[in-house]
Amino acid sequence: AQSVTQPDIHITVSEGASLELRCNYSYGATPYLFWYVQSPGQGLQLLLKYFSGDTLVQGIKGFEAEFKRSQSSFNLRKPSVHWSDAAEYFCAVVPAGGGNKLTFGTGTQLKVEL
Amino acid sequence: DVKVTQSSRYLVKRTGEKVFLECVQDMDHENMFWYRQDPGLGLRLIYFSYDVKMKEKGDIPEGYSVSREKKERFSLILESASTNQTSMYLCASSLSGYNPRETQYFGPGTRLLVL
Repeated sequence: AQSVTQPDIHITVSEGASLELRCNYSYGATPYLFWYVQSPGQGLQLLLKYFSGDTLVQGIKGFEAEFKRSQSSFNLRKPSVHWSDAAEYFCAVVPAGGGNKLTFGTGTQLKVEL
Repeated sequence: DVKVTQSSRYLVKRTGEKVFLECVQDMDHENMFWYRQDPGLGLRLIYFSYDVKMKEKGDIPEGYSVSREKKERFSLILESASTNQTSMYLCASSLSGYNPRETQYFGPGTRLLVL
């Protein structure tokens, strides 16, 4: 079945440490890939997106993500986490031929320890 | 900046009531979406619209309907609210058409409690 999976429900990191949030997808053709962030009490904000080309994409707030076709993954990374990065992060896909409809993963809640 | 506003941040309703959730966007976007967000389930698409007076079912349309009489406004209707519709509801909009590359912009959400 087609799906997008975020294996980690919660992650805790210390401020200043590096971060990697995992996202795997299961689709016949590579979908369009997105990462969104939801800060407490807020709507979702787009961090970055990947359609084709360079497999390392840069986003806002110092985030980047790497597309790996062989692993069907699109993991989000940040070299040094700030306390303000505490939020919920969602990986999302638009399947090829899926119009503009997003399918979301279940989210990863990030806690940052000071 | 795109702004998507939702009429209420918090709403408390009783079982069986008819509930309207309103969403307005100010950027002349053609596409509008309604999602519900539940812990451990992420966001799930309820309905979407690619044009005025047009609507399509998403993944979980049961118990919901929508209305889009004007381009900037997209309403979600719970005809007879039930306790299992207690959730966070998020509205989103994007520029146009079926282009998968279009960014969706989200409102702040309405947290609905059905008693």
